[in-house]
Amino acid sequence: DTVMTQSPLSLPVTPGEPASISCRSSESLLHSRGYYSVHWYLQKPGQSPQLLIYQASNRASGVPDRFSGSGSGTDFILKISRVETEDAGVYYCMQALEPPYTFGQGTKLEIK
Amino acid sequence: EVQLVESGGGLVQPGGSLRLSCVGSGFTFSRYWMHWVRQVPGKGLLWVARLNEDGNWIDYADSVKGRFTISRDNAKDTLYLQMNSLRAEDTAMYYCSKDLSGAADSWGQGTLVTVSS
Repeated sequence: DTVMTQSPLSLPVTPGEPASISCRSSESLLHSRGYYSVHWYLQKPGQSPQLLIYQASNRASGVPDRFSGSGSGTDFILKISRVETEDAGVYYCMQALEPPYTFGQGTKLEIK
Repeated sequence: EVQLVESGGGLVQPGGSLRLSCVGSGFTFSRYWMHWVRQVPGKGLLWVARLNEDGNWIDYADSVKGRFTISRDNAKDTLYLQMNSLRAEDTAMYYCSKDLSGAADSWGQGTLVTVSS
């Protein structure tokens, strides 16, 4: 199974400052159709997860443009240009190249 | 607006069975792959299963293969998860989700399954 490793696992951030989360996969996530099959989610306290970024760099509908995704091969990054208080929660990356799909351990973003 | 509403969770004894349901609305249910994902309270996410639009392409996580069955009824806009031979480690919140280009797009609010004697 493809292992997804996130870092850091805890991320305290001051509002207005940038934040970055790394996700490394144990295998390349390049799909035969030319995109990277890695997706990012945010789970706010007490809520279901919500999709932020799909196929490494595409923002899901309604996601603010302060969120961006990038990367290639086995290394991917989620960036928040200026963190807002509503961005607090746990962020997960997920690979969907081949079943079984697998998630990273989660990164808890805490607002200072 | 896309909505997914799960139901069917509850308390069950080890070795028992439950069937979860997920009703979709606000989108053409029959045109989308669907997923089940679970989460032990306070822990991370675990993908459980997926199936394609007509239900004839199915994949499972190793931990549930042979015990869980995912299915759908497109006439009822409903996704199912039949869970047999339940174990304590299956205790979790179970979410259904709609697929978008391989990602779990919209998610339901979840239904809690507790396996305990």
